[in-house]
Amino acid sequence: DQQVKQNSPSLSVQEGRISILNCDYTNSMFDYFLWYKKYPAEGPTFLISISSIKDKNEDGRFTVFLNKSAKHLSLHIVPSQPGDSAVYFCAASAVGNQFYFGTGTSLTVIP
Amino acid sequence: ETGVTQSPTHLIKTRGQQVTLRCSSQSGHNTVSWYQQALGQGPQFIFQYYREEENGRGNFPPRFSGLQFPNYSSELNVNALELDDSALYLCASSLSGSYNSPLHFGNGTRLTVT
Repeated sequence: DQQVKQNSPSLSVQEGRISILNCDYTNSMFDYFLWYKKYPAEGPTFLISISSIKDKNEDGRFTVFLNKSAKHLSLHIVPSQPGDSAVYFCAASAVGNQFYFGTGTSLTVIP
Repeated sequence: ETGVTQSPTHLIKTRGQQVTLRCSSQSGHNTVSWYQQALGQGPQFIFQYYREEENGRGNFPPRFSGLQFPNYSSELNVNALELDDSALYLCASSLSGSYNSPLHFGNGTRLTVT
């Protein structure tokens, strides 16, 4: 039972344009959400988080949006850079100790 | 600030054997979680340790066990290895008591069971 889903396995974007990565969840008890970036042969790197009391959080080029009624969150990267090419995972938690991860979206930023 | 370190980076074992993976948490963090990432999947929660006690467990059998030491480092032990245990094992540390603390991952141990 996949509680967190990333339905797009891959995404290609031109350098300088916006990348939008999407994530859906089923458990309405989730109240804390994370995005990670993963390069091959490395562990996931924390990018940005959002709690359920907010609907938007920004950190530099990265913005996460949360739509609780739709159980949907998205990560916007503006402007996209070739170094952003990686696999992106979203994760969600209800009680703070167990995070549920999506299957990832592979982003390719084309120079 | 020292990040999360895991050892070894790669390991090959035979079905039925036992394996121990090690993790040093990021400085200042008191909680360690272990995740299994199979090929093409997202990380799956195995268990979490806080104050040297198991503090939550995912859907993994008892042959997966762990320890946390007073310096917050941790071990993951897997007994009676099966072929399906082949995966990347990720350790993550965080700061319990700080609500909404993100996980910080190490680079993982790649386990191959033949």
